[in-house]
Amino acid sequence: QSVLTQPPSVSAAPGQKVTISCSGSSSNIGNNYVSWYQQLPGTAPKLLIYDNNKRPSGIPDRFSGSKSGTSATLGITGLQTGDEADYYCGTWDSSLSANWVFGGGTKLTVL
Amino acid sequence: QVQLQESGPGLVKPSQTLSLTCTVSGGSISSGGYYWSWIRQHPGKGLEWIGYIYYSGSTYYNPSLKSRVTISVDTSKNQFSLKLSSVTAADTAVYYCARAKGRIVTRVYFDLWGRGTLVTVSS
Repeated sequence: QSVLTQPPSVSAAPGQKVTISCSGSSSNIGNNYVSWYQQLPGTAPKLLIYDNNKRPSGIPDRFSGSKSGTSATLGITGLQTGDEADYYCGTWDSSLSANWVFGGGTKLTVL
Repeated sequence: QVQLQESGPGLVKPSQTLSLTCTVSGGSISSGGYYWSWIRQHPGKGLEWIGYIYYSGSTYYNPSLKSRVTISVDTSKNQFSLKLSSVTAADTAVYYCARAKGRIVTRVYFDLWGRGTLVTVSS
């Protein structure tokens, strides 16, 4: 069971917008920066968002991140079939068992 | 550009030690501002952080694996390594090496990943 909670799956039609939530606590999301990763089938994860809402060079502005309190959200607009992937949130957890934690992942299906 | 490549046995016997190496090319492992990391993914499951190391040798491990994990760095070879002892079938996973960017260990993000290597634990 992951410390960060994500919905197992989300779906939307091409061209539409989707959001993926990541819920945590004050020991992780509430007091640390969140990053998001995209894992296309059969490939390694790829950084999409860092420091809650920053995009690395080369990531289109269709992808956005936000954080409020102990939750973070990844938004994807103008959905494309190529966006079908697993998406993971991650952050440092400052509890007694201090370590980096990932959410359980969300499978995005573009219908 | 900087690339990471995992190498090591794809099959390890139960109770033995899993050993993997990550070779960094196109950049120096000794450049500050990065933590060199291992992350694994069990078949069909999510990502699990194993730990990371700074080029100076400072290490940070997942508490759930800490008793069995050693991450080391060889700056002369531009490589870092993972050793996981007393493996069981539950350690069967794809193992990724990754670069974590940031100067503060609690504020990093994984900006570069290797392709991953499947390690199967079986007799």
